[in-house]
Amino acid sequence: DTGVSQNPRHKITKRGQNVTFRCDPISEHNRLYWYRQTLGQGPEFLTYFQNEAQLEKSRLLSDRFSAERPKGSFSTLEIQRTEQGDSAMYLCASSSSGSPNIQYFGAGTRLSVL
Amino acid sequence: GDSVTQMEGPVTLSEEAFLTINCTYTATGYPSLFWYVQYPGEGLQLLLKATKADDKGSNKGFEATYRKETTSFHLEKGSVQVSDSAVYFCALSFLTGNQFYFGTGTSLTVIP
Repeated sequence: DTGVSQNPRHKITKRGQNVTFRCDPISEHNRLYWYRQTLGQGPEFLTYFQNEAQLEKSRLLSDRFSAERPKGSFSTLEIQRTEQGDSAMYLCASSSSGSPNIQYFGAGTRLSVL
Repeated sequence: GDSVTQMEGPVTLSEEAFLTINCTYTATGYPSLFWYVQYPGEGLQLLLKATKADDKGSNKGFEATYRKETTSFHLEKGSVQVSDSAVYFCALSFLTGNQFYFGTGTSLTVIP
């Protein structure tokens, strides 16, 4: 069990550029979650997958955001046409279907939009 | 809607002092309650949990009791250490586990 892995750890981009983050969950976990955490706040739910199916999306997930989990293993989160307000820590978590509310978090990807 | 309200920080304590971080919740159903800890540069780690009223979660000397009558889940530790310095998040979730609702976090600094 190597834990939840996120790459890159830090991303600096210019406004208007597209960025993509990757999350590798714990291997036997079939649920995967994305959260956004801004400075001084708790994580806010964005979306979650069960296997390859995206089952729920928050209203925070604007149409510039898209998440995929094509083979039910790793997931990617893409932000198109980034804005300064997208600057945040993006956290990934995973859980098993047997204990869906015990989520294990990665260290996150910190995005800075200049 | 469902939400968690946490005591604001930052909190600074001397080593071996008693710690309490307050957490109250609002929920439409019967949630499970959690405390997560985040050390600098790391992801959130589950510290303890309670799944029903009057349950007590405990881990590493930390405790919290699920109080349905006061909708609270306060975190306590009898004697803090420097290594406990971190940000602590209270959270709730339902058994479906579809999402968590987190508080804003409380930063704790323990000085020798």
